[in-house]
Parts: sequence; structure tokens; C-alpha cells
Amino acid sequence: KQEVTQIPAALSVPEGENLVLNCSFTDSAIYNLQWFRQDPGKGLTSLLLIQSSQREQTSGRLNASLDKSSGRSTLYIAASQPGDSATYLCAVAGNTGKLIFGQGTTLQVKP
Amino acid sequence: EAGVAQSPRYKIIEKRQSVAFWCNPISGHATLYWYQQILGQGPKLLIQFQNNGVVDDSQLPKDRFSAERLKGVDSTLKIQPAKLEDSAVYLCASSAYRSPSSYEQYFGPGTRLTVT
Repeated sequence: KQEVTQIPAALSVPEGENLVLNCSFTDSAIYNLQWFRQDPGKGLTSLLLIQSSQREQTSGRLNASLDKSSGRSTLYIAASQPGDSATYLCAVAGNTGKLIFGQGTTLQVKP
Repeated sequence: EAGVAQSPRYKIIEKRQSVAFWCNPISGHATLYWYQQILGQGPKLLIQFQNNGVVDDSQLPKDRFSAERLKGVDSTLKIQPAKLEDSAVYLCASSAYRSPSSYEQYFGPGTRLTVT
């Protein structure tokens, strides 16, 4: 049974810092991994999708890596801003597209 | 293009009452998902449709939850009767089928259900 774990559960940093969010999964037979952002009271916004054959994806200040063999992914946020404050969720997809989510990392970026 | 639409956005009901949620996916998306997100947790899949057929409903509490997707477009999720532990945000998502490795799911704003 696939399980996804995110560490840390919460993170508070001063503006401008570079930071790393971690995601681990127990079954390496995944088809893709997605990182989402969730603002309070809102739905999920897809940030990055890494296909199983890829090692990383980049979008602006965000970079996500995937190591299937070790069951790990990291989301790197460069030069953090207060607007980055949100909950970040990692999810892995199996062959039907069903997503298994971690519990999320709540990020606060202080001005 | 328009995103995934859900209604209502908020609902408060008493336990043992019934409630229904509606979802309209992105036009042309064949796959539709309903997720339940309890406060402080990640979303959990309740049911997945491919067109109007069910692909996965293994985590749907079928004694009280039901879902349908008529004509392969809109979908409704119903709870009858509701329990206190059903208080959660119900998220609808859709994706365009290409291949399993390139599924990207787009989420609606969710319906926040409070059962008192």
C-alpha cells in the first residue's frame, strides 16, 4: 500500500531564504509525482508534475526533483516571498491516475 | 478555459441529514475524481470516473455515500445520512486522458461541509 510522507509538517522562514520541502513514498512504482499548493479555504493549484522517467522539473523559482529508486522528491523554493505562504502537498499517481497525497507542509514566510 | 466548477461552496447540516454536491469538470476531460480532505490531512480519493464508468471506488463508504456521472460530464456526490466525521472539504478534480504518466489533475475550489 502506497504511503506518502512530508517533512517538515510546518516551516517558518524569513523572506528571501531558499528552502527545501521533502516528500517520501513507499512504493517506487509510480507514474508521476505532483506538487500542489493550497491556500486557506481554497482548492489545490498544481505547481509541478514530474513524470516517472524524469528527474526534475522547474517553473520560475520552483524546482522539483524525483528519485524513484529511493522514493524521494524535493521541492526547492528560491528566494522565498510572503506570497509563498501556503500549504504544499506532494502526491504520487499510479497507473489509473489516482493520487495518493502526503499530509502537506505548511509554510510561513515572514516579511 | 474555464476551470472545474463546484457547488455549493459551503454547507452546514445536522447529523443524519442528507446532502449533495455538484461538480462540472473542464470541458473535454474524460476523467473525474472526488476527494475528501479532512482538516489537517491530505486529500483522499473517494471515487474516480472515466467518462461515466467507475474506475475506483474502493475508499467510498458505500453504505452512506453515492456518486454518479451522467452522460460523462457533470457529477454529483451524495451523503445520506451524514455523520459528524463526514465534516471535511470535498474536492472535485478532472484530467484529460493521455497516458498514465502524464495525468495532470485540475482541482475545483471544493465544498466545505460541516456536520453538527
